[in-house]
Amino acid sequence: EPEVTQTPSHQVTQMGQEVILRCVPISNHLYFYWYRQILGQKVEFLVSFYNNEISEKSEIFDDQFSVERPDGSNFTLKIRSTKLEDSAMYFCASGANAGSYNEQFFGPGTRLTVL
Amino acid sequence: GESVGLHLPTLSVQEGDNSIINCAYSNSASDYFIWYKQESGKGPQFIIDIRSNMDKRQGQRVTVLLNKTVKHLSLQIAATQPGDSAVYFCASKRGSARQLTFGSGTQLTVLP
Repeated sequence: EPEVTQTPSHQVTQMGQEVILRCVPISNHLYFYWYRQILGQKVEFLVSFYNNEISEKSEIFDDQFSVERPDGSNFTLKIRSTKLEDSAMYFCASGANAGSYNEQFFGPGTRLTVL
Repeated sequence: GESVGLHLPTLSVQEGDNSIINCAYSNSASDYFIWYKQESGKGPQFIIDIRSNMDKRQGQRVTVLLNKTVKHLSLQIAATQPGDSAVYFCASKRGSARQLTFGSGTQLTVLP
């Protein structure tokens, strides 16, 4: 069964450093998402991406964040200058449907630790 | 703003019993709801969804009930098994927006 994959599984970085989190969505999917989950808290929406552009973003997704689909298979989340509060589990998701009722398939996550 | 909340943070059930996990949502414009299961160290796994024009939907051993009057949904798991132990999240969306709003999760523990 096809699945979303994410690398690395765990990323440790120093405050102020740039990180890139990588995702390979399911191959025939057209919609891509990033969510994050701070330890012990809810899963929070960051951004959705369709047709090579951001379609929705939350207040969390400020100028320090960017997304890119550099080729036909990868989807990346970049944090330019990490802060301690960026420490969280970051989940990539993808979906196929163009309609409003869209099932989103999640990857296993990347645990980001900012020191 | 839209929020989705869960009534109980933990639920323990005996193996073989039925489990009921509840969720309340605040935005009456929410029209699509999903239950996810999250096992330790893994991402959320889709269980079942329901649209707002329905009040009940059944899957394999799972049933979701939606009460739009009181803005409440529940997940019923029949004959709960040890493999059902996980955190369960409800999530919702509204209209053409694609972002999901998640609840805070219920930890289900299945006792032998």
